[in-house]
Amino acid sequence: ETGVTQSPTHLIKTRGQQVTLRCSSQSGHNTVSWYQQALGQGPQFIFQYYREEENGRGNFPPRFSGLQFPNYSSELNVNALELDDSALYLCASSSSSRSSYNEQFFGPGTRLTVL
Amino acid sequence: RKEVEQDPGPFNVPEGATVAFNCTYSNSASQSFFWYRQDCRKEPKLLMSVYSSGNEDGRFTAQLNRASQYISLLIRDSKLSDSATYLCVVPPDPGNNDMRFGAGTRLTVKP
Repeated sequence: ETGVTQSPTHLIKTRGQQVTLRCSSQSGHNTVSWYQQALGQGPQFIFQYYREEENGRGNFPPRFSGLQFPNYSSELNVNALELDDSALYLCASSSSSRSSYNEQFFGPGTRLTVL
Repeated sequence: RKEVEQDPGPFNVPEGATVAFNCTYSNSASQSFFWYRQDCRKEPKLLMSVYSSGNEDGRFTAQLNRASQYISLLIRDSKLSDSATYLCVVPPDPGNNDMRFGAGTRLTVKP
C-alpha cells in the first residue's frame, strides 16, 4: 500500500453534472498530480499541485480544475461532464520540488462513469 | 510521432520465457525514464528507474539507448505473476511536470 487514498472509489454521473474527486497524499509528500486514464490507454497528465499552487497542466480544458489544501490533500473538480470524461482518475503524490522529479506513488483511483 | 510509443502487444508467453518490450520517445532532452507496472483495475506501481544506460533488478533489465531514443524492458524466466500491463514513462524536463505515459504493453504469462 502506498498510503495514497482516493474517494469515492466509483461514481456515476450524467452529462452536464459536476463532480469532485478527493485525494489524500502520502505522509511527507507535498506534491499531488492528477491523471485521467481511459480504458486501454496510459494515464494522461491533468495537472499537478505543489505546496497549494498549480505547478503544471496538461492538455485539459478549464472545466477541469483543482485545489490543494495546507495538509497537501487535493481535489479534482470537473464541470459540465461529458461522456468522454468517463475514465479512471488517478492521484499520485510525491515529494518533488519545482525542478526535480521524484517517484510518484499512485492511489487506487476513482472510476467515473458519465451517462 | 507520439511523445511516448510502446509495443502495442498483447504478448502471450509461456512460463519461463524471456520477453522484451520497447518504448520510443520523442523528446531528446529527457534525462530519466521509468517502467511502471499496472495490474488489471489497479493503480500503476514503479517497477524500475533508468537514469544512465541501464538498470538491472533480478529478472528485470531496463536499457536506454539515447542515440535512438528508446528504452527496453527485458523480463527473464517469466512468472505467472508477471502478467500485467507495463507502462513506459518519460518524466518532464526540468521545470516541466507533465509526466508522459505510453499506452502500455499487456503481458500474459501462461502455464
